[in-house]
Amino acid sequence: DAKTTQPTSMDCAEGRAANLPCNHSTISGNEYVYWYRQIHSQGPQYIIHGLKNNETNEMASLIITEDRKSSTLILPHATLRDTAVYYCIVKVQGAQKLVFGQGTRLTINP
Amino acid sequence: DGGITQSPKYLFRKEGQNVTLSCEQNLNHDAMYWYRQDPGQGLRLIYYSQIVNDFQKGDIAEGYSVSREKKESFPLTVTSAQKNPTAFYLCASSHPSRDRFSGNTIYFGEGSWLTVV
Repeated sequence: DAKTTQPTSMDCAEGRAANLPCNHSTISGNEYVYWYRQIHSQGPQYIIHGLKNNETNEMASLIITEDRKSSTLILPHATLRDTAVYYCIVKVQGAQKLVFGQGTRLTINP
Repeated sequence: DGGITQSPKYLFRKEGQNVTLSCEQNLNHDAMYWYRQDPGQGLRLIYYSQIVNDFQKGDIAEGYSVSREKKESFPLTVTSAQKNPTAFYLCASSHPSRDRFSGNTIYFGEGSWLTVV
């Protein structure tokens, strides 16, 4: 699985959009980009995933660059409950293994 | 509600004892996983199972054992051979599918804290 690089920490004001970047410059053509988040002492929560096109669901939007070497997770209107560690993972569809890095610790400030 | 249930949430073990962590899912998922997480660290894969009666070692299988006798259940035993078992343990499951939007997304339980005393 390709490695990902994320900032260690980020801050965002409540009500603003939180934009979390992820670099995956060695991603292969058949690897998807997945995002999970983990609130302290809880299991990781699936957020969204995509291959080439931008994706949106009720939680977030995922913007993938045309060369697929980086992506951005967007939380459109961050709330205090969005404070968590966010993990960007690349994985081949059908592969059983998720490789977690250190993630980004996002703090939403009132 | 469908989901993954782990028990117990907190467990204390004396040195030299084996302990078993339970994981049950009612999502009808074929694949199940066990991860370990140390404080401030990411998740590391211990074992995974793609189908009943079959399982494979992950990156840190030494000192652990699993069984997969039923589709819904994937218990993890932390044996006395595991030298540093204090950690947060996470069970997960997924349903392999050719649908690229829903297939193979991995879902997690709420975790179990194991402390050696």
